[in-house]
Amino acid sequence: NAGVMQNPRHLVRRRGQEARLRCSPMKGHSHVYWYRQLPEEGLKFMVYLQKENIIDESGMPKERFSAEFPKEGPSILRIQQVVRGDSAAYFCASSPRTGEGKLGYNEQFFGPGTRLTVL
Amino acid sequence: SQKIEQNSEALNIQEGKTATLTCNYTNYSPAYLQWYRQDPGRGPVFLLLIRENEKEKRKERLKVTFDTTLKQSLFHITASQPADSATYLCALGAGNNRKLIWGLGTSLAVNP
Repeated sequence: NAGVMQNPRHLVRRRGQEARLRCSPMKGHSHVYWYRQLPEEGLKFMVYLQKENIIDESGMPKERFSAEFPKEGPSILRIQQVVRGDSAAYFCASSPRTGEGKLGYNEQFFGPGTRLTVL
Repeated sequence: SQKIEQNSEALNIQEGKTATLTCNYTNYSPAYLQWYRQDPGRGPVFLLLIRENEKEKRKERLKVTFDTTLKQSLFHITASQPADSATYLCALGAGNNRKLIWGLGTSLAVNP
């Protein structure tokens, strides 16, 4: 069973270009989370999606950033008109539909990350 | 606002000793707490989960405690090895909201 896959692993963009990051969750997982991590900083939650639905996007900037998780295909995090401050590692994680007991105690399985560099 | 604090300074210990990492939180009532390990250049890897009604959880050389009165979790690695050197993250979750609140992590170095 392949783990969470992210591509590309490294992405270089010039200011003003678009960055598109892809995440394929583990087989059987229907929940996807996107995080951003800067050097010496912790994981910052961006958005939580289920298939075809955005559940919580409270951590995502209102402008330039968008995310989707279509019925078919990977989840996409899109950053339009990138700026130097967008340079960071972006991690995707997935978890299964059901967890232990009544509440969602599921652990999250992380991908290797995409390192975005904006020149 | 919700706040999670982990030891900000790196922890250096000698091989074979027990490493103890702390996770404190305020303004939050988590239903469960998770610990992850992160190596440089890689994504976090899940280690252990402990629920609010559990005092202690063990897995091989790992032990986690959860004190909801003190609002604190302790993460122990016994008989530590150089391969345990990494950054350890705690994350809190509440109820039906799957969103996790993350600490900044503590860097652990185990010296041979």
